[in-house]
Amino acid sequence: DVKVTQSSRYLVKRTGEKVFLECVQDMDHENMFWYRQDPGLGLRLIYFSYDVKMKEKGDIPEGYSVSREKKERFSLILESASTNQTSMYLCASSIAGARGYTFGSGTRLTVV
Amino acid sequence: AQSVAQPEDQVNVAEGNPLTVKCTYSVSGNPYLFWYVQYPNRGLQFLLKYITGDNLVKGSYGFEAEFNKSQTSFHLKKPSALVSDSALYFCAVRPSMIKAAGNKLTFGGGTRVLVKP
Repeated sequence: DVKVTQSSRYLVKRTGEKVFLECVQDMDHENMFWYRQDPGLGLRLIYFSYDVKMKEKGDIPEGYSVSREKKERFSLILESASTNQTSMYLCASSIAGARGYTFGSGTRLTVV
Repeated sequence: AQSVAQPEDQVNVAEGNPLTVKCTYSVSGNPYLFWYVQYPNRGLQFLLKYITGDNLVKGSYGFEAEFNKSQTSFHLKKPSALVSDSALYFCAVRPSMIKAAGNKLTFGGGTRVLVKP
């Protein structure tokens, strides 16, 4: 089975800090995605990548950036963390043309 | 733009009773439809999908879903709910036409299911 691993389950950061969320997948998937999940809002797409060094904005990219230097790793960067970025962050991957995603276990980020 | 609506924030059902979680969608062309389940503090787990073929799709843990094109719905069902089915359920859609760049799923807001003993 495909495994998508997010490096931290829980993270607490201070306002203004630069935060890195890491995601690694082990099945050579082309596509990788970052979502945030908030109660009542479901999952909202932040950024996605369909190839190494390629990225596209999702629905809510403001305040975030991403990096994909290697195919298996997709990093989400909060340039200057703010309290409204407190959320559950979910990484997912899929092969090109795939009919569904495989998700990581999520990182619950709290910004204080 | 594609969208998914899950009209119920929460569904309460007694153990052993039928469970239905509603989902309607909007997408250009034919849809690919998915249901995922999320247990507390975990990522999403795939339950089932509709790609083509029979409108009734069977998935994991005894769940099934019925694709209704005229009503643009894809409701999730289970004939006899278990306490362990208590979780958050998400419906998702994407167009069937393959794009060169990415295959973005759009998710609904989620429905919390509470099965009482």
